[in-house]
Amino acid sequence: QSALTQPPSASGSPGQSVTISCTGTSSDVGDYTHVSWYQQHPGNAPKLIIFEVNKRPSGVPDRFSASKSGNTASLTVSGLQTEDEADYYCCSYAVRKIVFGTGTKVTVL
Amino acid sequence: QAQLQEAGPGLVKPSETLSLTCNVSGASITSGDYYWSWIRQRPGKGLEWIGYIYHSWSTYYNPSLRTRVTLSIDTSKNQFSLKLSSVTAADTAVYYCARVWFAELAFDTWGQGTLVTVSS
Repeated sequence: QSALTQPPSASGSPGQSVTISCTGTSSDVGDYTHVSWYQQHPGNAPKLIIFEVNKRPSGVPDRFSASKSGNTASLTVSGLQTEDEADYYCCSYAVRKIVFGTGTKVTVL
Repeated sequence: QAQLQEAGPGLVKPSETLSLTCNVSGASITSGDYYWSWIRQRPGKGLEWIGYIYHSWSTYYNPSLRTRVTLSIDTSKNQFSLKLSSVTAADTAVYYCARVWFAELAFDTWGQGTLVTVSS
């Protein structure tokens, strides 16, 4: 089972935007809307921030947005804040299984 | 508001079986709206889905772990469990239990995680 591919790191200054890609295949990201994103601060459990490609759970700021095109999903964090510094993981359904991305560490400069 | 809490030994010997339980509060494990899942994270690494269970009869496992994993549900205790057999040092990880929305297949509630070390 191959993990979805994410860049290892991304960074931006406070107030700027950062976009993280998540590349899969036509058997996962490309074929399903069950794409979600998770934020994980060090020592903490992951937190759901996006589901069904681009929907935000209640309580997640609208600074977090996401989309999908073909086999690649993307997460954008706008108006970066210091508390956005964390690891981010994408996730997709893929016929009777779930696949996570490799993870991206976002640094707020 | 649902809360999940993992419980089990923090140290398991090689070749033995890792057993963890996830206690669910604030939600019924018999609800048809959710799957119940296990995910692990090796030290310094990413998330790896282990499997999920729906009610007591539908289980889905990571193909790479399928031969060693068993998930089960105890409705009387409102908890679900993970058994991973024949463990090696490569199974050392933080193990999370999580609730999964049935329709959207998103992990909306997570336990705090428990570190399991495989060592003699």
